[in-house]
Parts: sequence; C-alpha cells; structure tokens
Amino acid sequence: AQSVTQPDIHITVSEGASLELRCNYSYGATPYLFWYVQSPGQGLQLLLKYFSGDTLVQGIKGFEAEFKRSQSSFNLRKPSVHWSDAAEYFCAVGAPGGGADGLTFGKGTHLIIQP
Amino acid sequence: KAGVTQTPRYLIKTRGQQVTLSCSPISGHRSVSWYQQTPGQGLQFLFEYFSETQRNKGNFPGRFSGRQFSNSRSEMNVSTLELGDSALYLCASSLRTGTASYEQYFGPGTRLTVT
Repeated sequence: AQSVTQPDIHITVSEGASLELRCNYSYGATPYLFWYVQSPGQGLQLLLKYFSGDTLVQGIKGFEAEFKRSQSSFNLRKPSVHWSDAAEYFCAVGAPGGGADGLTFGKGTHLIIQP
Repeated sequence: KAGVTQTPRYLIKTRGQQVTLSCSPISGHRSVSWYQQTPGQGLQFLFEYFSETQRNKGNFPGRFSGRQFSNSRSEMNVSTLELGDSALYLCASSLRTGTASYEQYFGPGTRLTVT
C-alpha cells in the first residue's frame, strides 16, 4: 500500500518570499502524484498532477512541483507567495490502475503568510 | 460549468441518529467519490460510485453507505451516529476514463457535528 508524508505541519513564509512544501511518498513503483489546496471552508482544488514524462510539472496559480524518483519526493514550489496562498496543502499519491480508491493523501501542510 | 455541490453545508445531529448527505457532480462526470476529513485522521476515502454501482470502498464500518442515481447524483448515509463521526464530508467527481479518474473535483463539503 502507498503512503504519503508531509513532514511540515505548519510553514510560515513572508509575502513575496519563495516557498517549498515537502512531500515524500512510499510506493513500489512510480506512482501518480498530485498536489491539492484547501482554503478555509472550501473543498480541495487540484493544483497540479504528475503521471509520467517531464519530472517538472507546472500547475495553476504559479505553482510547480518536481518529481524526484531517487528521493521519493514530489515537492511543491512557488517563487513568490501572495497573501491569498495561505491555505492547507495536501500531497496525494495514486496507484496506477487503482482509480479513485488509489488516492492516498498526506496529513497536509498549513501555510501561513506573513505580511 | 457548475462545480460540485453538496447539501446541506452544515448539520448537527445527536448520537444514535442517522444522516443523509447529498452530492451533485459536475455535469458529465459519472464517478462520485466520498471522503471523510478529520483533524486526527486527515482525508480518508469512503467509497466511489460509478454508473449507480459502488466500485470501491475504503476501510469504514457498514454504518457508512451510499448510493448513486441515474443522473449521477449521489447520497451517503451514516446510521447510528457516533461522536467520532463528526467531520467534514467531501464529495468529489471525476471522469472515469484513464488518468482523468484521478483528477478529483471536490465540493465544499458538509460539516457534520454529532453531539
């Protein structure tokens, strides 16, 4: 079974600074990888996804993530954060062929933006 | 295109009661998945419905059940409510073709409080 670890429960970043949120996964082969964002009182929104191919993927809202097979990681980055980026971020891993039930989510990282 | 809608948004119930939550997927999406989100356990997969049939099920007791109608709308039911059932219940819809089945579109959730 796959698992996802997001080591940072909370991260505080100054507005305009760069951001990196960590995600490590455990899976026997190359999984499908996702980042979702959840704003207060909202459901989750898909930021970006990796299925195969180029290991650097671009998403919405200026986010990108890099798949590193050797480190079993899929870290999320943004060069300059905005106050509106304050939210909960979830990394998820899917087992190819597993469909919706194959999605396993990390516990989330709460991003706080300082003015 | 309208997003995933969930009703009601908030619900307060008493232990031992039962509850029914409703989800309307994005038009054209025939797969509907349900998740439970709690601070302690995070996001956990409940079940997925496609073509009015439960396709996958997470590790939850039989008190949690669901169904899907011919128009793809879905309901989930929790019987004999326990305090631990207090959570945000999220519904997500997707196309069920290839990798698109992993791209979940979430509704805003139903906040259930059991007293």
